Amino acid sequence: AQSVAQPEDQVNVAEGNPLTVKCTYSVSGNPYLFWYVQYPNRGLQFLLKYITGDNLVKGSYGFEAEFNKSQTSFHLKKPSALVSDSALYFCAVRDLGDMRFGAGTRLTVKP
Amino acid sequence: DGGITQSPKYLFRKEGQNVTLSCEQNLNHDAMYWYRQDPGQGLRLIYYSQIVNDFQKGDIAEGYSVSREKKESFPLTVTSAQKNPTAFYLCASSGTYNSNQPQHFGDGTRLSIL
Repeated sequence: AQSVAQPEDQVNVAEGNPLTVKCTYSVSGNPYLFWYVQYPNRGLQFLLKYITGDNLVKGSYGFEAEFNKSQTSFHLKKPSALVSDSALYFCAVRDLGDMRFGAGTRLTVKP
Repeated sequence: DGGITQSPKYLFRKEGQNVTLSCEQNLNHDAMYWYRQDPGQGLRLIYYSQIVNDFQKGDIAEGYSVSREKKESFPLTVTSAQKNPTAFYLCASSGTYNSNQPQHFGDGTRLSIL
């Protein structure tokens, strides 16, 4: 069975500092991994995905994620956080079946 | 612009009443999905449809029903059998089921009980 975990409910960072939102996964085969962002009362917006290839994936709005097969992790990163990055972030994994979402991490960027 | 439209944005249900949430997409996607979002629980799959006239139960299908008579439309009915329907409901689509492409989401319907 496939699953995904986001170990932090909340991440707080200061504007201009780097941010990391953590994600670990468990799949039986090769994973398809995704990050989405959700703003209040809106749907999820796709940020980036890992299918195969380079372990460092670049996505929208300056976000990137690093795939680490040995640690089964896919952490989301950004070198310099903006106040407007404050939102709910979801990691998702697809193996051979349904898409599975983590519980979400609320990112707050303070001025 | 292509996308997914969910309506209404807010919906209120009386006890014993069935309500239907609309989801329409113009992305020409074969697969469509309904998720329920509760605080702190992420997204849980209610139903999905791989193609027109086909749909499958997800993890929490009890108390819900769907239809897929047209490629563009995948309405969700919350029946009176769903005893705790208050939640944020999200509809999504992807080109095909089990694809390596991301799902596209609508902006959700928030359902509350009167």
